[in-house]
Amino acid sequence: NFMLTQPHSVSESPGKTVTISCTGDGGSIAANYVQWYQQRPASAPITVIFEDIQRPSGVPARFSGSIDSSSNSASLTISGLRTEDEADYYCQSYDTVNWVFGGGTKLTVL
Amino acid sequence: EVQLVQSRAEVKKPGESLKISCKGSGYIFTSNWIAWVRQMPGKGLEWMGIIYPGDSDTKYSPSFRGQVSISADRSINTAYLQWSSLKASDTAMYYCARQSVAGYLDYWGQGTLVTVSS
Repeated sequence: NFMLTQPHSVSESPGKTVTISCTGDGGSIAANYVQWYQQRPASAPITVIFEDIQRPSGVPARFSGSIDSSSNSASLTISGLRTEDEADYYCQSYDTVNWVFGGGTKLTVL
Repeated sequence: EVQLVQSRAEVKKPGESLKISCKGSGYIFTSNWIAWVRQMPGKGLEWMGIIYPGDSDTKYSPSFRGQVSISADRSINTAYLQWSSLKASDTAMYYCARQSVAGYLDYWGQGTLVTVSS
């Protein structure tokens, strides 16, 4: 079974840049698209990256996605951090019969 | 404006049945898949399954197949998630979400909190 592993938490200061990783296990991360979802406390998730690198309309250009086949991982990078970016972030991809979510990363902006 | 509006929070006892709903508006309901996602208290997101309201084609996560039933009534633009016998471990927030043409979940419902307790 394909699984996605994320760090439990990351923290960074306002104005800085942070990168959240999502490592595939049991298959190639490049075989299917990766999405990233942001979930603020007590709110439904929203998509911040789809198809590895695409941003939905309305998502700031401070959010970017990438894929690294050599490490079998995807990454979400947020630059110019703002306090409003503090949230849980989930990567998501697919295996043969299933959508797969990573365990989520809590981003603290302090 | 695309909206997915879910039914209100529920408190049930173990063994009871339950059907929660997700009503779409602002788009052609039969043209997009609707997914259901579980979030247990303090935990991450889990994909449960997905339905195409146009023809009711349904796919389940192996983890949820046989545990829940997903359906849709296209005449009232509504998708459903149903349990025949709830367990305490079904306590969670349940989200419906629309799958975009590009394949990602572009609109989410507000969530339905299901609490199962004796």
